[in-house]
Amino acid sequence: EIVLTQSPATLSLSPGERATLSCRASQSVSNYLAWYQQKPGQAPRLLIYDASNGATGIPARFSGSGSGTDFTLTISSLEPEDFAVYYCQQRSNWPTFGQGTKLEIK
Amino acid sequence: QLQLQESGPGLVKPSETLSLTCTVSGGSISSSYQYWGWIRQPPGKGLEWIGSIYFSGNTYYNPSLKSRVTMFVETSRNQFSLQLKSVTATDTAVYYCTRSLNWGGDFDSWGQGTLVTVSS
Repeated sequence: EIVLTQSPATLSLSPGERATLSCRASQSVSNYLAWYQQKPGQAPRLLIYDASNGATGIPARFSGSGSGTDFTLTISSLEPEDFAVYYCQQRSNWPTFGQGTKLEIK
Repeated sequence: QLQLQESGPGLVKPSETLSLTCTVSGGSISSSYQYWGWIRQPPGKGLEWIGSIYFSGNTYYNPSLKSRVTMFVETSRNQFSLQLKSVTATDTAVYYCTRSLNWGGDFDSWGQGTLVTVSS
């Protein structure tokens, strides 16, 4: 099993600030990494696939980078609707998810 | 626009079988290069992939659940289903059905989710 470790567990920022979320894999997943956003009571939404490709309809302020074992999701300027929980997920092996990063309003 | 909708009992007794169905609308379940899957989320916790299926019937299961999981497709009804046998309280979760273009991820369409509680 490939374990994904996300950091930080909680990130407190203000609207307009830049958010940087990290995901580290226990072994290389190449670029087979996706990012999801989940708001309370809702299903997750795909943001980024293959490490750096934006999913359909995702605003340009969301970007992803990395390869191998270290990945980053960046939100360039936070909007009020961006405060949510974010998960990374790998598909190099059978799929696993990180434990999530909660992005909260400071 | 593709829509997925889960249905099934919200309460299952311990040791029994959990059965859920996902109805797909706005697209054909038989279209090529689409995989249909199930992901669950225990209350207040993270996400766990259960398995994925192709319309041809090829299945891919989470190794930790494989002995208890069966998935199948009903193309005539544009539906796919999940059976999880011998459930315990640890199987209590919101169950989501999903669509992806790879069997292992990039889940780009999700149902709204259905809470299944395992309790006597």
